[in-house]
Amino acid sequence: QVQLVESGGGVVQPGGSLTLSCAASGFTFSNFGMHWVRQAPGKGLEWVAFIRYDGSNKYYADSVKGRFTISRDNSKNTLYLQMNSLRAEDTAVYFCAKGPNIRLDYWGQGTLVTVSS
Amino acid sequence: EIVLTQSPGTLSLSPGERATLSCRASQSVSSSYLAWYQQKPGQAPRLLMYGASSRATGIPDRFSGSGSGTDFTLTISRLEPEDFAVYYCQHYGSSLTFGGGTKVEIK
Repeated sequence: QVQLVESGGGVVQPGGSLTLSCAASGFTFSNFGMHWVRQAPGKGLEWVAFIRYDGSNKYYADSVKGRFTISRDNSKNTLYLQMNSLRAEDTAVYFCAKGPNIRLDYWGQGTLVTVSS
Repeated sequence: EIVLTQSPGTLSLSPGERATLSCRASQSVSSSYLAWYQQKPGQAPRLLMYGASSRATGIPDRFSGSGSGTDFTLTISRLEPEDFAVYYCQHYGSSLTFGGGTKVEIK
């Protein structure tokens, strides 16, 4: 069965950096695009980024463009999200999810990122 | 960018009743790129429907989706206790966007 396990969340000061990881299993990771989606406390869902199956193309929400970088290591079945210049409004639970690009078929349980001084 | 507006914000119903959830797009969209998700408290969202009317793997047939153009509907024919949750519609276009959600609560 598909499993996605996020890690790397925590508390970080404004302006700081954090890298999230998502370990995938139960499917051929290298065949599928992957997403990051976030959910601020008590709020709805916000798509963050998508990477194609081979890492050749990456897409970002305007709210994170230039600050966040999505990447993947298909040899390790792992997805990453490098987050720089973090702001209070980036505080959220971050989910990784299996593509395709047009929808999110399976989701991980999420990891909480809190940006606070 | 396409905006998805979900209504009502909250739906108060009893188990066994029919639930009708609306998702309206700010401009006409392809139904191929319209999906629905269910999220229970403290859990990750789960894909329910894709292509507006196709059920995802393992989704019971009391869930159905319909619509085209700017108006889409998720229907739960007879609410089970486990169906009380928040539901989101989602569209893929120039970007991927979610509606604000509809909470289905027990009356």
